[in-house]
Amino acid sequence: ETGVTQSPTHLIKTRGQQVTLRCSSQSGHNTVSWYQQALGQGPQFIFQYYREEENGRGNFPPRFSGLQFPNYSSELNVNALELDDSALYLCASSLSTGPGELFFGEGSRLTVL
Amino acid sequence: GIQVEQSPPDLILQEGANSTLRCNFSDSVNNLQWFHQNPWGQLINLFYIPSGTKQNGRLSATTVATERYSLLYISSSQTTDSGVYFCAVRNAGNMLTFGGGTRLMVKP
Repeated sequence: ETGVTQSPTHLIKTRGQQVTLRCSSQSGHNTVSWYQQALGQGPQFIFQYYREEENGRGNFPPRFSGLQFPNYSSELNVNALELDDSALYLCASSLSTGPGELFFGEGSRLTVL
Repeated sequence: GIQVEQSPPDLILQEGANSTLRCNFSDSVNNLQWFHQNPWGQLINLFYIPSGTKQNGRLSATTVATERYSLLYISSSQTTDSGVYFCAVRNAGNMLTFGGGTRLMVKP
């Protein structure tokens, strides 16, 4: 048990819809990052949030956006869903933005029909 | 960006056997982690090991940073060890880069 919690665990959407995924970081961790894991592949970095601001972004389009709140929890929003957005979305928290261990939640599995 | 390669991609073992999983990376790193992904998708931390050797029960890991590789040893494997093992590294910036994983099946 890492202390990182994500919701919802599973959800189904249709193309063109929007989705919001939520993450509560481990106690004391001020940095949250999001990863997308397609079936059979390793996770891919989407972005990181530190002190409520985006602090690094991977190769994902602007329709992937996020928020971090004063309590360090975070949201991932995806607009105009496409079939290829079907994946496991993983949230990770860490003590800081520097070198250090990341702890992952159980993930939110999104299916886009 | 940094490249991470894991080998072998698939591994089948008989319960009780030992195994070695390898992770090669293309640049110097300041963070290296080994994870076990369970059937429900959760990434379970095994080791945070940017350099040196660590042991935890039947598992141990060694990272030789100067030669850009890390090894994960599993001894006396059990069926519960089945799943996907990922190596992930960070050299600069904010992201972990994951390898493609090693899919391990331990048969009773």
